[in-house]
Amino acid sequence: EVQLVESGGGLVQPGRSLRLSCTASGFSFDDYAMHWVRQRPGRGLEWVSGISWNNDSTAYADSVKGRFTISRDNAKNSLYLQMNSLRAEDTATYFCAKDICSTSRCPRGYFDNWGQGTPVTVSS
Amino acid sequence: QSVLTQPPSASGTPGQGVSISCSGSSSNIGSTTVNWYQHLPGTAPKLLIYSNNQRPSGVPDRFSGSKSVTSASLAISGLQSEDEADYYCAAWDDSLNGWVFGGGTKLTVL
Repeated sequence: EVQLVESGGGLVQPGRSLRLSCTASGFSFDDYAMHWVRQRPGRGLEWVSGISWNNDSTAYADSVKGRFTISRDNAKNSLYLQMNSLRAEDTATYFCAKDICSTSRCPRGYFDNWGQGTPVTVSS
Repeated sequence: QSVLTQPPSASGTPGQGVSISCSGSSSNIGSTTVNWYQHLPGTAPKLLIYSNNQRPSGVPDRFSGSKSVTSASLAISGLQSEDEADYYCAAWDDSLNGWVFGGGTKLTVL
């Protein structure tokens, strides 16, 4: 059974940093691209970032480009999101999601498994 | 404002059918496939329809998807109370070089 478990969320002040983790099990983690998707309070799902199976290629939404960095450690079956210069509008629940493709840029792909999310609150 | 446009709400009574639309453009729906996700707040989103009209294993055939040019639709027949959830369409956007989602449609089973 595929399992994705996010951690690392919490309350953080504006301008500070936070690192989210997603631990995967139940599949060959190093075969698939992975993504972060967030849901701000009262809003819909928003794709944040994606990474290819081998760390070779990454992609970011304009709203986080230059502030967030996605990475992965295949030896640890783990996905990360380093969030710097956090803003109030980054307050959201962050989900990790598994792609059916191996590359982050896969127009005909889709997210076949998701975690339950970890909440991030950016407030002073 | 989401790149893909969905109605914010939809409703139906048990046993009825309902359809949820998703409107995009040539850079997203018009050039690739559409996926649909079901999300109950507080839980993990679930893949409902992929590649326009394909159902993952375990998704009832009451759920179906279609696509025409730059729009897509999710149809649910024989509504059940457990279908109450938020529904999102999604597609890759070639101009933005990333995934885009609709704003979500909250389905209420009356």
